[in-house]
Amino acid sequence: SQTIHQWPATLVQPVGSPLSLECTVEGTSNPNLYWYRQAAGRGLQLLFYSVGIGQISSEVPQNLSASRPQDRQFILSSKKLLLSDSGFYLCAWNRGYEKLFFGSGTQLSVL
Amino acid sequence: RKEVEQDPGPFNVPEGATVAFNCTYSNSASQSFFWYRQDCRKEPKLLMSVYSSGNEDGRFTAQLNRASQYISLLIRDSKLSDSATYLCVVNPTGNQFYFGTGTSLTVIP
Repeated sequence: SQTIHQWPATLVQPVGSPLSLECTVEGTSNPNLYWYRQAAGRGLQLLFYSVGIGQISSEVPQNLSASRPQDRQFILSSKKLLLSDSGFYLCAWNRGYEKLFFGSGTQLSVL
Repeated sequence: RKEVEQDPGPFNVPEGATVAFNCTYSNSASQSFFWYRQDCRKEPKLLMSVYSSGNEDGRFTAQLNRASQYISLLIRDSKLSDSATYLCVVNPTGNQFYFGTGTSLTVIP
């Protein structure tokens, strides 16, 4: 069966510090991979998605970036965090046009 | 105009009640529709896909109305454990999944 791992679960970072969140999927090949952010009391906002290694599509302009160095690995990064980057970050995967499966999320607090 | 609009609630209902949520979408070419459930500070989990003919899973019934561009979720015989936020999700094309802001449900003993 397929599983998705996302870490860390919780992160507290100072403004201006770098960020790296990692997500890996097991049990499938060539998945579509996604990064979403959910601000407190808000809906999910799609940040990036990837249909293959090295292929990244960005949905919103921001100081975040994403990379997909391996087929089942998706990384979200920032060089300098802003207060507004605080939120609940979720990695997800799917195949084709099928339903999304989410990782357990990272609660990021930028102070 | 938002891709997906959903009444945020909150809905507070007694145990055993029937409750319905609606969600409207803007892209008439949308192909896939889902309802997800999200508990506080947890990831969304798929509750059910929504098919054109409507579908039922136990106490949960999902409906799609393409003409009016809305989907609905009906929960019968509400349980305390149904308390959560319910997200409607629309997939207009390929890799684009648009989420509603969620409807909060609290089932009261």
